[in-house]
Amino acid sequence: DQQVKQNSPSLSVQEGRISILNCDYTNSMFDYFLWYKKYPAEGPTFLISISSIKDKNEDGRFTVFLNKSAKHLSLHIVPSQPGDSAVYFCAASARDTDKLIFGTGTRLQVFP
Amino acid sequence: NAGVMQNPRHLVRRRGQEARLRCSPMKGHSHVYWYRQLPEEGLKFMVYLQKENIIDESGMPKERFSAEFPKEGPSILRIQQVVRGDSAAYFCASSPSREAEAFFGQGTRLTVV
Repeated sequence: DQQVKQNSPSLSVQEGRISILNCDYTNSMFDYFLWYKKYPAEGPTFLISISSIKDKNEDGRFTVFLNKSAKHLSLHIVPSQPGDSAVYFCAASARDTDKLIFGTGTRLQVFP
Repeated sequence: NAGVMQNPRHLVRRRGQEARLRCSPMKGHSHVYWYRQLPEEGLKFMVYLQKENIIDESGMPKERFSAEFPKEGPSILRIQQVVRGDSAAYFCASSPSREAEAFFGQGTRLTVV
């Protein structure tokens, strides 16, 4: 039972354009969401998070949007840079448990 | 402040041997999580520990796997009698509290031959 889904395994975007990575979840108890970035042979690196009491959180080039009614969140990267090329994982946790449930990841490639 | 340290980075074991994976959390972090990433898959939660306590082990296989986080020293993920299907990257993460984001180590890549 995949509670956090990233339906696009890969995404290719030109440098300077916007990258939009999507994530859907099924558990209505999730109240905290995070995005992690992962390079090959390294551990995931925290990128940005959002609490369910908000619908948007922005940090520099990265913005996360949360649509609770649709159980959907997205990560926007603008402008995209070649160094953004990595696998991006969406993760969620519920108030009654501290574990993070991860999606399967989306591989982003930013080309010049 | 050193990050989350995992060792070894790579571990090769023959079928039937034991594997011990170590994780030293960041200074001041009392929450430790272990995740497993199988090839072409996402990160799967295994176990969540605080000092001397297992809080949630719902992701741990029922047999051969165990974890501990003693009062002193690193957290240990132990896999007894390893099989080929245990080959994966095992990541440890730590955080100071639930509300803070978890920081991950670089992982231990276990290969069972």
